[in-house]
Amino acid sequence: DQQVKQNSPSLSVQEGRISILNCDYTNSMFDYFLWYKKYPAEGPTFLISISSIKDKNEDGRFTVFLNKSAKHLSLHIVPSQPGDSAVYFCAASGSGGSNYKLTFGKGTLLTVNP
Amino acid sequence: GAGVSQTPSNKVTEKGKYVELRCDPISGHTALYWYRQSLGQGPEFLIYFQGTGAADDSGLPNDRFFAVRPEGSVSTLKIQRTERGDSAVYLCASSRRDGLTETQYFGPGTRLLVL
Repeated sequence: DQQVKQNSPSLSVQEGRISILNCDYTNSMFDYFLWYKKYPAEGPTFLISISSIKDKNEDGRFTVFLNKSAKHLSLHIVPSQPGDSAVYFCAASGSGGSNYKLTFGKGTLLTVNP
Repeated sequence: GAGVSQTPSNKVTEKGKYVELRCDPISGHTALYWYRQSLGQGPEFLIYFQGTGAADDSGLPNDRFFAVRPEGSVSTLKIQRTERGDSAVYLCASSRRDGLTETQYFGPGTRLLVL
């Protein structure tokens, strides 16, 4: 049973436009969420995170939105650049004693076309 | 070094053989994690070390898998009697563990292929 779901395996956008990557979770104990970017043959690279006490976190071109009632988060990239082309993983961790264990979605392949 | 390093980057072995995968965490990071990523999946948790001890090994799939971190820095993931289903990318991550929430930084992974 997947606790973190990324329902879009792939997304293609034009350079300069907005990319929106979505993630849903089922475990109500999750309270910290992260996005990682992964290039082929490399490990995941941390991008941005958000705690459940917030509904938005922004870092340059990247913004993460959290809707706790819907158990949904999204990553917005604007403007998108060809170098953003990669697999994006959504991850979540719980509170208390198990807050070290990240649960990942299957990833979304983003392609930004020049 | 600046980031998490893992060796070897690729490992090809035959079914039934023993393999060791090494992880060098970021200097000063007390927490170390192993994950496994199969094709088309996201990384899955295997084991977590805080210092020298394995605080949680609940993700290890069976007793063929074992990991150590004897001096609280470098860790080795050991797989006995490898099976074809063990083929995957094995990722190591480290973090500071200095707060309630934290960021895990990943290495490039070891790609294991069991023939």
